Amino acid sequence: GAVVSQHPSRVICKSGTSVKIECRSLDFQATTMFWYRQFPKQSLMLMATSNEGSKATYEQGVEKDKFLINHASLTLSTLTVTSAHPEDSSFYICSARDFRRFSTFGSGTRLTVV
Amino acid sequence: QKEVEQDPGPLSVPEGAIVSLNCTYSNSAFQYFMWYRQYSRKGPELLMYTYSSGNKEDGRFTAQVDKSSKYISLFIRDSQPSDSATYLCAMSPISNFGNEKLTFGTGTRLTIIP
Repeated sequence: GAVVSQHPSRVICKSGTSVKIECRSLDFQATTMFWYRQFPKQSLMLMATSNEGSKATYEQGVEKDKFLINHASLTLSTLTVTSAHPEDSSFYICSARDFRRFSTFGSGTRLTVV
Repeated sequence: QKEVEQDPGPLSVPEGAIVSLNCTYSNSAFQYFMWYRQYSRKGPELLMYTYSSGNKEDGRFTAQVDKSSKYISLFIRDSQPSDSATYLCAMSPISNFGNEKLTFGTGTRLTIIP
């Protein structure tokens, strides 16, 4: 089955610093990757959609200068949270798909900004 | 009104019981209906999907879609403690294949009591 690896699983950073989260499709080429954010006891909220080699499409209300997404290859997308603040603390999840299947999710990254 | 409504629970049932999980939705454009299972601090994994109305069975799991009522259900027979997780419904319209935007319910936290 399709496997998506997400790293790190947990990160603690100081306020004002930047954090990079990686999402890799291990056994398929992901034409599209998605980034979600999930608050406790709440649903997954789509942040952005990225296609390999093109700029990400951000959902309304998501600051593209704060959440930088790069999808440079068919197997790797990164999300960089720039100048992180405590309110950015959340669970971030990526998913990846190609034209043959529904999205496969990574295991998520718990970000805590102190 | 949210596009997708799901009772957050928590729902606790004894082992062996039949579990019924439900979602309602308001967007009549939704055509694909999915159920994901999410264990604590992990990403969601796809359990089942259905297209349009009807039933689909996979082992102990049955998914039902009633588009006329905008109501979907997931039934779990002979529930096991390992079924304890949060179950999320998700939906998408027919769109450019590969770029589907999933709209999630809030998830129902299920506990199976041994």
